[in-house]
Amino acid sequence: RKEVEQDPGPFNVPEGATVAFNCTYSNSASQSFFWYRQDCRKEPKLLMSVYSSGNEDGRFTAQLNRASQYISLLIRDSKLSDSATYLCVVSQAGTALIFGKGTTLSVSS
Amino acid sequence: DAGVIQSPRHEVTEMGQEVTLRCKPISGHDYLFWYRQTMMRGLELLIYFNNNVPIDDSGMPEDRFSAKMPNASFSTLKIQPSEPRDSAVYFCASSSGQGIKAFFGQGTRLTVV
Repeated sequence: RKEVEQDPGPFNVPEGATVAFNCTYSNSASQSFFWYRQDCRKEPKLLMSVYSSGNEDGRFTAQLNRASQYISLLIRDSKLSDSATYLCVVSQAGTALIFGKGTTLSVSS
Repeated sequence: DAGVIQSPRHEVTEMGQEVTLRCKPISGHDYLFWYRQTMMRGLELLIYFNNNVPIDDSGMPEDRFSAKMPNASFSTLKIQPSEPRDSAVYFCASSSGQGIKAFFGQGTRLTVV
């Protein structure tokens, strides 16, 4: 079983839609959680950290469920510019960041 | 501020040749990571350094791969001899701590023919 698993998609949604991505991780010792965004042929960039109490950054909301080892990302009012691959990332103490393979989002007008 | 700088951006080489990828981390960052990305396997950690010392190289695929960090501002990833299956995008990233957000370079797209 891979350490971080994501539905690869693609998710095809119209502008203005709300879309949710899910991610599960296998190591219960995981301590840090992030969502990264990667545009086509570009490097991954940090979108947001994920905190135990859940957190929001504008149209983006991240949730963490430690008991279920589950992370989610909700995007409200999707924009064309949100089209990208979203990478779920976890790490344990003393380790580097471990990336999921990503979920591809395509927002159309 | 300058981000993580990688060179070259693109490399095309023939099977059997030596390839050297270079990385300059963000100044002040004490962690440096090398990742490889392919469609099939996604982003895989190859090796990472803390204060120029290799900490975990368990992701290095085989002895053909080696990485060094002679000082805080420079690292190399070498493949010798290269093989077509090494074709991928190689990313270098740096961070100011372990398990916290990392910043990526633009990557080196390697094609081995």
